[in-house]
Amino acid sequence: DAKTTQPTSMDCAEGRAANLPCNHSTISGNEYVYWYRQIHSQGPQYIIHGLKNNETNEMASLIITEDRKSSTLILPHATLRDTAVYYCIVRVSGSLDYGQNFVFGPGTRLSVLP
Amino acid sequence: GAVVSQHPSRVICKSGTSVKIECRSLDFQATTMFWYRQFPKQSLMLMATSNEGSKATYEQGVEKDKFLINHASLTLSTLTVTSAHPEDSSFYICSAGDLIRRTDTQYFGPGTRLTVL
Repeated sequence: DAKTTQPTSMDCAEGRAANLPCNHSTISGNEYVYWYRQIHSQGPQYIIHGLKNNETNEMASLIITEDRKSSTLILPHATLRDTAVYYCIVRVSGSLDYGQNFVFGPGTRLSVLP
Repeated sequence: GAVVSQHPSRVICKSGTSVKIECRSLDFQATTMFWYRQFPKQSLMLMATSNEGSKATYEQGVEKDKFLINHASLTLSTLTVTSAHPEDSSFYICSAGDLIRRTDTQYFGPGTRLTVL
């Protein structure tokens, strides 16, 4: 799996958009970009994933650059409950490689401030 | 959406005792489940891959005789920490993918916090 690079920590004001970057310059053509988050003392929670097109769901938006070497997760209106560690993971789709685990890096610790 | 549960959520035990942690997929089937361990202020590290009906595969450095894994059905995997010691105190998390629907992602359990006194 391609390695990812994320900032160690970020702060965001409550109600503002939180933009979390991720670099994955060695991503392969069949690898997706996944985002999970982990709130303190809980299991990771799936947020969103994409291959090359931008994606949006009820939680967040995922913007992937045209060369796919980087992406940004956007939480449009951050709340205090969004304080968590956010993990950007690059891997082959689970539908194609069911038996493969996720490899977690250190992630970005997002602190949403009141 | 798909749900993975773990039991217990928290356990405290004495050194030398064994502890069993259950991981269940509540609304889907999984032939493969993964067990992770997370120490304070660190990221999740894969311990082993649990395979239904066959032996688990362990990551390098994880003792298979200490961390016994049983995957007896398509919805249940158990991790038993045998002869637990204080250094085994950690947050244990399982995950699974949907075998039938083959969704792109995997679902994680809420975790089990083990404290060995």
